[in-house]
Amino acid sequence: EVELVESGGGLVQPGGSLRLSCEASGFTFSDFWMHWVRQVPGKGLVWVARIFSDGTDTSHADSVKGRFTISRHNAKNTLYLQMNSLRAEDTAVYYCARSRDLTFDFWGQGTLVTVSS
Amino acid sequence: QSALTQPASVSGSPGQSITISCTGTSSDIGVYNYVSWYQQYSGKAPKLILYDVGARPSGVSDRFSGSKSGSTASLTISGLQAEDEADYYCSSYTRSSTWVFGGGTKLTVL
Repeated sequence: EVELVESGGGLVQPGGSLRLSCEASGFTFSDFWMHWVRQVPGKGLVWVARIFSDGTDTSHADSVKGRFTISRHNAKNTLYLQMNSLRAEDTAVYYCARSRDLTFDFWGQGTLVTVSS
Repeated sequence: QSALTQPASVSGSPGQSITISCTGTSSDIGVYNYVSWYQQYSGKAPKLILYDVGARPSGVSDRFSGSKSGSTASLTISGLQAEDEADYYCSSYTRSSTWVFGGGTKLTVL
């Protein structure tokens, strides 16, 4: 059974940093592209970043480019999101998601990031 | 990249059919068939219910169907059931090699 479990969320001050993790199980992690998608509570989904299955290429949404970095460690079956220079508008639930053929086919349960002083 | 446009809410009675539209542009829905739909219950993770416009993942009810015309995709739920009450999001791959979601539609089963 595919399982994605995020961790690392919490309360951080504006300008601070946080690293999210997503531990994968139930499938061959190194075969799939992975993503981060966020959702402000009560609002819609927003794509944040993507990484190739072998980690050789990444892409980030303009709103986080230069501040967030997606990465992965295939031997540990883990996806990461390093978030720096955090802003109030980054407050959201962050989901990791697997993609197959450009579709997000499995999602984690999410981890809440709150940016506030 | 602006969000895809969905109605904020739709409603229907049990047994009826409803359709949720999702309007994009020539940079996303208009040029790709990589349109997917997700169902999200309150406080839960999204779940894939349709991909590639109208394909259903294993285990998803055939009451869910999808279509596309030009830059607008649609999700139809037939034989509405109480358990269908949830938020629904569309998504599309884009020319910029990114992904865009709709703002979400809250489905109420009356």
